[in-house]
Amino acid sequence: DQQVKQNSPSLSVQEGRISILNCDYTNSMFDYFLWYKKYPAEGPTFLISISSIKDKNEDGRFTVFLNKSAKHLSLHIVPSQPGDSAVYFCAASGETGGTSYGKLTFGQGTILTVHP
Amino acid sequence: EPEVTQTPSHQVTQMGQEVILRCVPISNHLYFYWYRQILGQKVEFLVSFYNNEISEKSEIFDDQFSVERPDGSNFTLKIRSTKLEDSAMYFCASSAFGLSNEKLFFGSGTQLSVL
Repeated sequence: DQQVKQNSPSLSVQEGRISILNCDYTNSMFDYFLWYKKYPAEGPTFLISISSIKDKNEDGRFTVFLNKSAKHLSLHIVPSQPGDSAVYFCAASGETGGTSYGKLTFGQGTILTVHP
Repeated sequence: EPEVTQTPSHQVTQMGQEVILRCVPISNHLYFYWYRQILGQKVEFLVSFYNNEISEKSEIFDDQFSVERPDGSNFTLKIRSTKLEDSAMYFCASSAFGLSNEKLFFGSGTQLSVL
């Protein structure tokens, strides 16, 4: 199942710089996209989301961009902090065209390391 | 912030044995879910549950799996006869309304090891 793909297994950035995490999807029925962050021994924690009717959503240091024509979304973290080091998962829902009943399709995750 | 709690954090079992993974969803949430992540693989949807019924299930969720809400607070996943390939981290999640544009709250997971 490659409906949601995160092609970069890892990303390393310096503290204070921008982190850009990318995600591609293939299913045009997806209409809601989420980013989750996961620390070791913890469950995924919701970070930010975007509906398909928008192309940008911002929350503090986190911005998600959606390019529907390219079926691509990205998460920008500015400025990056060492505490941001975690696994970041892109997820999508809505493929059933309405009530998804909480069925999220996840990407493989990208390990972000922010160096002090 | 309210959270989803899961017990146990680790479960080791012998192949063929039954296991029950337990979850306490957020108290005012109505929709409950199980996901799993096999080591090195993606987080995968297993099942969603609402009003004491399964709403949707994946092809992974075969007859060996069942879910139950035995009381007003717990939500359980039972695997009747565990197989080696059931070894994974199992995450419980909940949401308030089950909408497609709604975030899910995940628990910390139960690491199941089948020997």
